[in-house]
Amino acid sequence: GNSVTQMEGPVTLSEEAFLTINCTYTATGYPSLFWYVQYPGEGLQLLLKATKADDKGSNKGFEATYRKETTSFHLEKGSVQVSDSAVYFCALTNTGFQKLVFGTGTRLLVSP
Amino acid sequence: NAGVTQTPKFQVLKTGQSMTLQCAQDMNHNSMYWYRQDPGMGLRLIYYSASEGTTDKGEVPNGYNVSRLNKREFSLRLESAAPSQTSVYFCASSEAGVHSGNTIYFGEGSWLTVV
Repeated sequence: GNSVTQMEGPVTLSEEAFLTINCTYTATGYPSLFWYVQYPGEGLQLLLKATKADDKGSNKGFEATYRKETTSFHLEKGSVQVSDSAVYFCALTNTGFQKLVFGTGTRLLVSP
Repeated sequence: NAGVTQTPKFQVLKTGQSMTLQCAQDMNHNSMYWYRQDPGMGLRLIYYSASEGTTDKGEVPNGYNVSRLNKREFSLRLESAAPSQTSVYFCASSEAGVHSGNTIYFGEGSWLTVV
């Protein structure tokens, strides 16, 4: 079936550190992949997406590349800020599939 | 610029009580969704409506009912609340089905506690 596995948190970093949050997926065919972010007390917001292999999604300094050979969609940022503290969710959908399948979320804590 | 609006934001229910969570979107989207979020489990789909007049079960539909009242509104009803339904509920919408990579937009969430 379709599923997403992402690294357990929390991930604790100092400001300006490099961030990687791992996400791998299981799916048949050619899924679309997403990263959503949830700030405290808020709903989820789309951060970036990629709809085909080798695509790179990017937004607000975050990037993720759709790697079909390793079934991965790792989230990266070169220099995190305190304001990036949030929960990050990897998700996928697939052809003919009417829903998003979410990972369990990874909490990021950035200290000054 | 409202997007997806859901009410109430907070609610405490006693076991066995009923309630309805309301959701409306102003983006003229065809598809709407109800998710619940529980610690360590991410978001799980309760019900969705691919278009006005249709509804389908998601991963965890037991104990819930939905109504797609019109294109804008999609309500979630708990007929007899149970403590296991304590959760944060999110309504969401997308222009078309998410299978084609369409972005899904979320409301701010409804915190429900069943005691």
